[in-house]
Amino acid sequence: DIQMTQSPSSLSASVGDRVTITCRASQGIGNYLAWYQQKPGKVPRLLIYAASILQSGVPSRFSGSGSGTDFTLTISSLQPEDVATYYCQKYNSAPLTFGGGTKVEIK
Amino acid sequence: EVQLVESGGGLIQPGGSLRLSCAASGFTVSDNYMSWVRQAPGEGLEWVSVLYSGGSTFYADSVKGRFTISRDKSKNTLFLQMNSLRVEDTAVYYCGRERPLFHWGQGTLVTVSS
Repeated sequence: DIQMTQSPSSLSASVGDRVTITCRASQGIGNYLAWYQQKPGKVPRLLIYAASILQSGVPSRFSGSGSGTDFTLTISSLQPEDVATYYCQKYNSAPLTFGGGTKVEIK
Repeated sequence: EVQLVESGGGLIQPGGSLRLSCAASGFTVSDNYMSWVRQAPGEGLEWVSVLYSGGSTFYADSVKGRFTISRDKSKNTLFLQMNSLRVEDTAVYYCGRERPLFHWGQGTLVTVSS
């Protein structure tokens, strides 16, 4: 099975900083990669799918890139409301594995 | 408006069985990929199972042979039958629509403990 590895597992950044989270697949998955945001105590929500397509209603400071095995989620200017854990997920075929998550905090 | 409402969680002893339900509205369950995802306390998201619109089913290795995903067209509802439950199955269980998960339910807590 394909493994999904996220890094870092946590980060602390200042408001306004550019934040980058990476997700690596152990084998190529094309662009079948999604990113989710889960705020503390809340249900996860879809941010990006097909590696780079922003889900409706998601602020434009979020962006995704990559294909094959290496993917990136970028927050161009970190806001206090972005405090959350972010997960990647492959969805080309089962198992639809999630990455381990990246916890984002404000410095 | 798409809505997913899970139910059926609770406290169960190890070795017991439980059936979770996910009642859908605003779309037809049988026309979509439907998944179960769980989250143990303080842990990350773990994909559990998926039911394709065509009827194929797939499971995580951790639940294979113990859990069964199914749907009822007349009730527009997704199910997860969980047998031989273990302490490590304790988690909030979410159902989700499509691939990737465009919509999520609010989750139902399953606690496996003696």
